[in-house]
Amino acid sequence: DAGVTQSPTHLIKTRGQQVTLRCSPKSGHDTVSWYQQALGQGPQFIFQYYEEEERQRGNFPDRFSGHQFPNYSSELNVNALLLGDSALYLCASSLEGRMNTEAFFGQGTRLTVV
Amino acid sequence: AQSVTQLDSHVSVSEGTPVLLRCNYSSSYSPSLFWYVQHPNKGLQLLLKYTSAATLVKGINGFEAEFKKSETSFHLTKPSAHMSDAAEYFCVVSGFMNTGFQKLVFGTGTRLLVSP
Repeated sequence: DAGVTQSPTHLIKTRGQQVTLRCSPKSGHDTVSWYQQALGQGPQFIFQYYEEEERQRGNFPDRFSGHQFPNYSSELNVNALLLGDSALYLCASSLEGRMNTEAFFGQGTRLTVV
Repeated sequence: AQSVTQLDSHVSVSEGTPVLLRCNYSSSYSPSLFWYVQHPNKGLQLLLKYTSAATLVKGINGFEAEFKKSETSFHLTKPSAHMSDAAEYFCVVSGFMNTGFQKLVFGTGTRLLVSP
């Protein structure tokens, strides 16, 4: 079992550009959540996908969008990048329908905006 | 709304001495609580979770946590620190969104430093 895999591991973008981050959930998991972890902070919830639909989002602007594919993998897109978007982006997968289900995290994508 | 407060941003211990990382929570519901560990340049790994079963929860690598409802606390302990325990630790509560689905709410983290 490969667990949760994210790509790329690192990338550098310029202000104003757009970026796409990718996540493959743990085998058997159908729910994907994205988190942003700024330096020295705890992860902050961005949004969650289930059955290819965004179920709920945190306090993030519309520049942040996502997608879930039929195989449950997911993408996070950020448009018009700002310096403040520099962070570690974490993907977590879980299994819907199970209360208090454990979330498994990938190693994250380190995004640097210059 | 659910929230957690980690009372110490940094904790320093010597190898072989006990570890105590403190966490208080706030929740409108009977909460689910977790401790995650993050080593440098790594993702998050679940140490243990409380889901309204036994109040004393045993996790991996010798860590334990005790759920105390009267104190709204969920402190993480380990009898004897190892150098490999040096990492960032996050206390997490599972909170319900207005859709009825759950999300994880993280504390700000406690950095554990272990000296020889």
